Amino acid sequence: DTGVSQDPRHKITKRGQNVTFRCDPISEHNRLYWYRQTLGQGPEFLTYFQNEAQLEKSRLLSDRFSAERPKGSFSTLEIQRTEQGDSAMYLCASSLGSGTSSSYEQYFGPGTRLTVT
Amino acid sequence: AQSVTQLDSHVSVSEGTPVLLRCNYSSSYSPSLFWYVQHPNKGLQLLLKYTSAATLVKGINGFEAEFKKSETSFHLTKPSAHMSDAAEYFCVVTLQTGANNLFFGTGTRLTVIP
Repeated sequence: DTGVSQDPRHKITKRGQNVTFRCDPISEHNRLYWYRQTLGQGPEFLTYFQNEAQLEKSRLLSDRFSAERPKGSFSTLEIQRTEQGDSAMYLCASSLGSGTSSSYEQYFGPGTRLTVT
Repeated sequence: AQSVTQLDSHVSVSEGTPVLLRCNYSSSYSPSLFWYVQHPNKGLQLLLKYTSAATLVKGINGFEAEFKKSETSFHLTKPSAHMSDAAEYFCVVTLQTGANNLFFGTGTRLTVIP
């Protein structure tokens, strides 16, 4: 399968614990995005990388959240001191892009469903 | 403020009848507009996109959408619904020209009745 993959698919954690999610984009894609989707809502943008550089962060990305893409390939999203409000589906997407073009299709992974108890 | 509004949270149609999912957008710039579909337990899939070329955009699975600047609309249509079309549909806009992130509507759940 050459699509975007995410691991784990499901994560249940207790409030206050740290969690880390991984995203493997399509191999030739230089852009990688993280989104969060809560029940009954559309996905909301969190952050975006071009290669290894994190170029944009949403105000939704509090200081408990950190994302990395150390070698411009896979990415990790860590949430520290989880809260019940962090319960959501975390989606990763990747695309090809250059300059400021936003017309390149974003390919989404299946998501990681986080439940904080 | 720039945003996208999906006018119906739930649409129900009979198999073989037309589908219309409505979307209005607000953007200070020339927008790029998309429709994505999300089947249960599957990733989001792009149906079609408008990026300032032809205003009538054809997508996969027989769907199409028409960009109407005067009405700030980008409604999704399909002539004949199939059972496999049952899913959640999202209208999506870029916030501004050259933006790299997508702004999703709240979604429309399409139910297809046999």
